Amino acid sequence: KAGVTQTPRYLIKTRGQQVTLSCSPISGHRSVSWYQQTPGQGLQFLFEYFSETQRNKGNFPGRFSGRQFSNSRSEMNVSTLELGDSALYLCASSLESRSGANVLTFGAGSRLTVL
Amino acid sequence: GENVGLHLPTLSVQEGDNSIINCAYSNSASDYFIWYKQESGKGPQFIIDIRSNMDKRQGQRVTVLLNKTVKHLSLQIAATQPGDSAVYFCAERVGGFKTIFGAGTRLFVKA
Repeated sequence: KAGVTQTPRYLIKTRGQQVTLSCSPISGHRSVSWYQQTPGQGLQFLFEYFSETQRNKGNFPGRFSGRQFSNSRSEMNVSTLELGDSALYLCASSLESRSGANVLTFGAGSRLTVL
Repeated sequence: GENVGLHLPTLSVQEGDNSIINCAYSNSASDYFIWYKQESGKGPQFIIDIRSNMDKRQGQRVTVLLNKTVKHLSLQIAATQPGDSAVYFCAERVGGFKTIFGAGTRLFVKA
């Protein structure tokens, strides 16, 4: 079956602009998580969605937001971009499992460069 | 941001040797610990997990050890191969559906 698909794969923006990234989870996966990956900070948790509701949120400013649609596809948005927002943004989907590790399946990521 | 820490940022091993990647975690309430492997240009990929009530779990060529007393997790890779070269992350599941990752260890396998 198809894996997690993220679009776009690469994008360049300038400071002050906003960006929207898209994630299509594996069919049947209803939980979608977003992470920011940078060389200095590693993988930082942004937020997690399930059934169109944000269940968990990381320690990021309000400029970072997201949403999930009824088909489980998710988008994240970063407004008023800063140079420090340059990173690889990873989306992961998982089956809801209270008895398991909730293993994440990641997409290849969207690499954002802010100039 | 929240992080699970790692002892070594890079590890270089000879092909055929065993590799041990270490990790320290901070949240005593985590119920699962997971190891992921990330190859260049790809997202992290699941390797193995261990429940918090276990101290050892074995997979194919990999073993994860959990020491809750000192909040330490390790991944052992037997007979390391060039294809094992990647960045390895430990992660912990906290609060149900939130997974927190460590900083990562880069493994180099020398032929």
